[in-house]
Amino acid sequence: DGGITQSPKYLFRKEGQNVTLSCEQNLNHDAMYWYRQDPGQGLRLIYYSQIVNDFQKGDIAEGYSVSREKKESFPLTVTSAQKNPTAFYLCASSSSQGLKNGYTFGSGTRLTVV
Amino acid sequence: QQQVKQSPQSLIVQKGGISIINCAYENTAFDYFPWYQQFPGKGPALLIAIRPDVSEKKEGRFTISFNKSAKQFSLHIMDSQPGDSATYFCAAKGGAGSYQLTFGKGTKLSVIP
Repeated sequence: DGGITQSPKYLFRKEGQNVTLSCEQNLNHDAMYWYRQDPGQGLRLIYYSQIVNDFQKGDIAEGYSVSREKKESFPLTVTSAQKNPTAFYLCASSSSQGLKNGYTFGSGTRLTVV
Repeated sequence: QQQVKQSPQSLIVQKGGISIINCAYENTAFDYFPWYQQFPGKGPALLIAIRPDVSEKKEGRFTISFNKSAKQFSLHIMDSQPGDSATYFCAAKGGAGSYQLTFGKGTKLSVIP
């Protein structure tokens, strides 16, 4: 089955630690996205990538970094510079051939600072 | 700047009733308007979508109504069921050449028996 796999489902971070969230898709989609979801805040765009080896900052990129070395993979690193990282993180992908089927989302990673 | 405004933030509907969620936008270049449904602990899933050259689209109990002149669109859930209890997001896509979505802040729907 085609889809997006996010891992881990739950992640705990200590103060000052960098952590990386994995996102893999087998939909052959060109574009991939990372969103952060907080209660009452909706979905806020962190980074997006429309093509391999290229990515752009979204609305809340500070304290985060990404890479896009392969079409299938778009990992997100939450760095120690992100002061309030506790949130639900969602990865999504879409085809460059318009949005016939919309975005496809992963099941999310819940990150908690301990 | 919030480009897609969604209301209400939360909604409680009796089983069998009609749930209505509204969204408004300013950018006239938007050319695709999807709705997403999200259950707790899960990622959003595409529910139904409409393009601005259509005033209404129906899929089962779910209907999108689109008013281009008012720059508004809404989701109607007929015969609402407890299983419809979820958070719903409206979204809009920029014009030709863009495939990035702008999301509303979401509406938490609770359907009570």
